Amino acid sequence: SQQGEEDPQALSIQEGENATMNCSYKTSINNLQWYRQNSGRGLVHLILIRSNEREKHSGRLRVTLDTSKKSSSLLITASRAADTASYFCATVPANQAGTALIFGKGTTLSVSS
Amino acid sequence: ETGVTQTPRHLVMGMTNKKSLKCEQHLGHNAMYWYKQSAKKPLELMFVYNFKEQTENNSVPSRFSPECPNSSHLFLHLHTLQPEDSALYLCASSQDLSGAPNQPQHFGDGTRLSIL
Repeated sequence: SQQGEEDPQALSIQEGENATMNCSYKTSINNLQWYRQNSGRGLVHLILIRSNEREKHSGRLRVTLDTSKKSSSLLITASRAADTASYFCATVPANQAGTALIFGKGTTLSVSS
Repeated sequence: ETGVTQTPRHLVMGMTNKKSLKCEQHLGHNAMYWYKQSAKKPLELMFVYNFKEQTENNSVPSRFSPECPNSSHLFLHLHTLQPEDSALYLCASSQDLSGAPNQPQHFGDGTRLSIL
């Protein structure tokens, strides 16, 4: 069953603007990961945040995690045309047998120059 | 590149054909995965292998048959597929399953499969 759900489904911004994507999930998690997928390509891992962390940075990316609200956000600052892609959150449910990463449907980000 | 190579990139086949998808990783990983990505649906995990042993089969129809001859190679054998099986099939790898929840997965670029 779907665990993570991204919001919005689609986002269009201008270069230089910030882009914020949100992810909500249903059950307790071990960690939450964000991935990017360019058109016609595979997924690329961006960042992993553990359940005991609240914020994490990687370059222009900032991820927050609020376990009380079961939500996470991905902020891309000073966006570039090359950031145009689909972004997925994936959760690893706590206390779940198996190793499945459960993905949401993704947010499609379009950055125009 | 990601270190995970999938071939072919595109495949068109009839419902009665038999074909195979190939995945090879050059990362020294021991866990490998098959995912199905359909339009407007979340990515679906199909199979997981750890040190060549299958550890998960996510209720996948028997017309999909995985094979993992060694930790670097993963195949997905296809036969008697249905039109709804048309999708992007992605292979991924991670270090191994011992620390699986906290390991990122590395994906190939997928095989775009079309069933006529």
